[in-house]
Amino acid sequence: GESVGLHLPTLSVQEGDNSIINCAYSNSASDYFIWYKQESGKGPQFIIDIRSNMDKRQGQRVTVLLNKTVKHLSLQIAATQPGDSAVYFCAGSNTGNQFYFGTGTSLTVIP
Amino acid sequence: EPEVTQTPSHQVTQMGQEVILRCVPISNHLYFYWYRQILGQKVEFLVSFYNNEISEKSEIFDDQFSVERPDGSNFTLKIRSTKLEDSAMYFCASVKGTDTEAFFGQGTRLTVV
Repeated sequence: GESVGLHLPTLSVQEGDNSIINCAYSNSASDYFIWYKQESGKGPQFIIDIRSNMDKRQGQRVTVLLNKTVKHLSLQIAATQPGDSAVYFCAGSNTGNQFYFGTGTSLTVIP
Repeated sequence: EPEVTQTPSHQVTQMGQEVILRCVPISNHLYFYWYRQILGQKVEFLVSFYNNEISEKSEIFDDQFSVERPDGSNFTLKIRSTKLEDSAMYFCASVKGTDTEAFFGQGTRLTVV
């Protein structure tokens, strides 16, 4: 039969709290990762990237952590705001240009 | 700020018809991509294009699909004989060089009826 509705993991946080969104990847050859934010009806929007020779990278209110040992990536958003509500995807690349996306997490910020 | 533009924003077509989705990548970018996203699901890679030829394609990108960069600015995705399951958002992306971010367009919502 037909499936409707979101198949994505969801995360709800109170406004002002910190959010942590996780992503696992399977290809150990992946050497470049990006977190994208996707609002309803729009294309993915770049948030922050990290290369495999780094463990951590910080941006404005966002931090990405990379654990290559367990092939895990996380995105931390500090002081989450209502405008942060969106679907967040991690994407990895092992060829330097093509990206494969994770399943995404739907973040809802509760005012 | 430069951006990737896609037209149309919404395309409705009858099953079996051909559609062409259009994209104008950022002008100094070298790598171009098409992705699709079925409602509520993750973004899926279709094809990458570099130096006027396909550099990589996924299993989804079968003989029904083709891409073209006809004039040095447009990058098109043609879907022949559309099926109901082709209904999705189709995103074009471009990348300046290796290991740099992909810039995405706003997408074309394709509805096959």
